[in-house]
Amino acid sequence: DAGVTQSPTHLIKTRGQQVTLRCSPKSGHDTVSWYQQALGQGPQFIFQYYEEEERQRGNFPDRFSGHQFPNYSSELNVNALLLGDSALYLCASSPGHGPTDTQYFGPGTRLTVL
Amino acid sequence: KNQVEQSPQSLIILEGKNCTLQCNYTVSPFSNLRWYKQDTGRGPVSLTIMTFSENTKSNGRYTATLDADTKQSSLHITASQLSDSASYICVVSANTGGFKTIFGAGTRLFVKA
Repeated sequence: DAGVTQSPTHLIKTRGQQVTLRCSPKSGHDTVSWYQQALGQGPQFIFQYYEEEERQRGNFPDRFSGHQFPNYSSELNVNALLLGDSALYLCASSPGHGPTDTQYFGPGTRLTVL
Repeated sequence: KNQVEQSPQSLIILEGKNCTLQCNYTVSPFSNLRWYKQDTGRGPVSLTIMTFSENTKSNGRYTATLDADTKQSSLHITASQLSDSASYICVVSANTGGFKTIFGAGTRLFVKA
């Protein structure tokens, strides 16, 4: 049983470009959350998807958007990239969206904006 | 303001020694507290979860404690191993109608031979 998978592993973009990151949840999980983790910091919650809709959102601008597909996989899109968007982007899946549902994290996508 | 603060920021110990990591939080209303281990370049992995009524939880050589009155938690690592070198992140979830989970910045633990 595969865990949470993310692609690509690494990505280099320039300022102003757009990027799409992908996540496949663990089998049996219907909820996907995205996090941004700057170097030396804890993950910051971006948003959460279940039933193909964004349900909760952290303090991130509209440049950050997402999508969840019928198979529960998800995408994170970031437009008009800034240098400060350089970070590790983590996807986490869970069997539900309650506060006690354990989140399983993927290995992350390392985004570098030049 | 909902916050989770961890100390120390980093820690170096010798293999075989014990250590204790601290977490203070102001997240309210409290639902649960988790400790995660994050190896360099990897996603976090859950070690323990504690709800309001639990004051201790063990997972092998890891023992977490929770004092909900003082809003403090600790993670004790016994007989450390080189593979324990990682970041340990305290995560507190609030029991609101929606999803609210606050991550601490983590404690970076280095175990030396």
